[in-house]
Amino acid sequence: RKEVEQDPGPFNVPEGATVAFNCTYSNSASQSFFWYRQDCRKEPKLLMSVYSSGNEDGRFTAQLNRASQYISLLIRDSKLSDSATYLCVVNIQGAQKLVFGQGTRLTINP
Amino acid sequence: DAGITQSPRHKVTETGTPVTLRCHQTENHRYMYWYRQDPGHGLRLIHYSYGVKDTDKGEVSDGYSVSRSKTEDFLLTLESATSSQTSVYFCAISESREGFTGNTIYFGEGSWLTVV
Repeated sequence: RKEVEQDPGPFNVPEGATVAFNCTYSNSASQSFFWYRQDCRKEPKLLMSVYSSGNEDGRFTAQLNRASQYISLLIRDSKLSDSATYLCVVNIQGAQKLVFGQGTRLTINP
Repeated sequence: DAGITQSPRHKVTETGTPVTLRCHQTENHRYMYWYRQDPGHGLRLIHYSYGVKDTDKGEVSDGYSVSRSKTEDFLLTLESATSSQTSVYFCAISESREGFTGNTIYFGEGSWLTVV
């Protein structure tokens, strides 16, 4: 089983729709969680950290469920510019590494 | 921008030749990393450094070596390139003195390497 798993998609949704991704992680010692965004042939860029209480940044909402070991990303009122691959990232406590999911590809259609 | 420069950005090389990728940062951050990204595998850590001359292996370190003689530079060397090392290589730096824990990392623009 992979340490971090994401549905690779692709997700194709119309502009203005709400879309949600989930990401599951296998190590219960996972300590920190992030969502990164990666555009085609570009480097990953931090979208947002994920806090235990859940957090929101504009149209983006991140949730953490430690009991079920998953994190989620919700995008409301999607824009064409939201088209990208979204990477789920987990830091395991005591381990000097971040583990990346393979990414979920999202395309917003006009 | 995180102040990370990778060079070369694109390179085609022949099997068996040595290749060195350079990562240069202007942020004076302690932690630096080399990742490779491949379809079906996502980003995988090759090596990382937690200070000058302090390095450690990641999950896919075979066939790679690194060096860090200055805070600002982290070199990745393929001693004898193979076709399986064709990939996109990303350098990254961490803001935190504690490295990964609870803090984010920032990536360079990537180096596209093709081994023929």
